[in-house]
Amino acid sequence: KQEVTQIPAALSVPEGENLVLNCSFTDSAIYNLQWFRQDPGKGLTSLLLIQSSQREQTSGRLNASLDKSSGRSTLYIAASQPGDSATYLCAVTGSRLTFGEGTQLTVNP
Amino acid sequence: GAVVSQHPSRVICKSGTSVKIECRSLDFQATTMFWYRQFPKQSLMLMATSNEGSKATYEQGVEKDKFLINHASLTLSTLTVTSAHPEDSSFYICSASDLQGQEKLFFGSGTQLSVL
Repeated sequence: KQEVTQIPAALSVPEGENLVLNCSFTDSAIYNLQWFRQDPGKGLTSLLLIQSSQREQTSGRLNASLDKSSGRSTLYIAASQPGDSATYLCAVTGSRLTFGEGTQLTVNP
Repeated sequence: GAVVSQHPSRVICKSGTSVKIECRSLDFQATTMFWYRQFPKQSLMLMATSNEGSKATYEQGVEKDKFLINHASLTLSTLTVTSAHPEDSSFYICSASDLQGQEKLFFGSGTQLSVL
């Protein structure tokens, strides 16, 4: 059974700081990995999708990497802003879609 | 990009009533739709997977007679919470995929259900 773990569970940083969110998964037989953002009481917004054959994806200030063999992914956020405050979820697609518990990020002005 | 519309965004109902939640893919055909439930401060939990024109596949522990899913067209799936009780109060989110669930998923904005 696939298990997805995200560390840290919560993170509070000052504005402008670069930060890294971590995601690990136990079964490396995945098709892809996605990072999502969830604002309180809202649905999910897909940030980045990395196919199993890819090593990283970039979108603006976001960069996600994937090391399938070690079962790890990181989401790098550059020059963080208060508007980045949200919960960030990673999810892997294998035989099914499995979500991590999320990292709650707070960026303080 | 692709858009999934979910309605209503919030519903408050009395115990014993039924609530229908709609999920529509607006600019693509969704062969597969997923329904999730999220309790406060917990991650999303998959409830069921529905493929257009066939019966939904429910996850273990999810009562199919209580959570009725209909995926009658390639752009619409509905989740009906029948005889809702306070313990059904949760955030429900749908997502859709156009390639057998293996590609990028697009999510609805969610429905906050409160059962009094």
